[in-house]
Amino acid sequence: GAVVSQHPSRVICKSGTSVKIECRSLDFQATTMFWYRQFPKQSLMLMATSNEGSKATYEQGVEKDKFLINHASLTLSTLTVTSAHPEDSSFYICSAKRGDNEQFFGPGTRLTVL
Amino acid sequence: GQNIDQPTEMTATEGAIVQINCTYQTSGFNGLFWYQQHAGEAPTFLSYNVLDGLEEKGRFSSFLSRSKGYSYLLLKELQMKDSASYLCAVMDSNYQLIWGAGTKLIIKP
Repeated sequence: GAVVSQHPSRVICKSGTSVKIECRSLDFQATTMFWYRQFPKQSLMLMATSNEGSKATYEQGVEKDKFLINHASLTLSTLTVTSAHPEDSSFYICSAKRGDNEQFFGPGTRLTVL
Repeated sequence: GQNIDQPTEMTATEGAIVQINCTYQTSGFNGLFWYQQHAGEAPTFLSYNVLDGLEEKGRFSSFLSRSKGYSYLLLKELQMKDSASYLCAVMDSNYQLIWGAGTKLIIKP
């Protein structure tokens, strides 16, 4: 089956530092990747849509200069949280869309900013 | 390995009841989630079960049996707008989400 991985699975950082999260589609090429943020027992909030080789499309209210997205290849997208603050602590989940439009979700990355 | 199984597709009639099953094998258990996803949209949280039993929320109910590694989502009084994919996800001992492939629910008039 189609597998999406995220790295790291959890990260703890100091306020003001930057954190990079990788999302990889392991056995298929992803035409589009999505980045979500989830708060406890709440729906996934779409942050941005990323197409390989082009700029990401950010949802309203998401700061593109704070959440940098790079989709360098058909199997890798990265989300960098710049100058992280405690309010950025959350569960970040990526998903990847395959050519047949099926969407597969990653296991998530738990970010804690001290 | 870890895996989540749910049917690929189900069909039901408007006004009827449908039960979507989910079985799981994971390393540890920290809760089971059900999400609804309409095509082209982000998944919407439906329920979270961490203890055995039935949680009812309006037309939707979710059941969990930890000893059996089993959950189901029950949808009553089906409406056309319930046509969507339903995703089962389990949070393992490392607080990682293990996702099912989703069940596409088709509602017919």
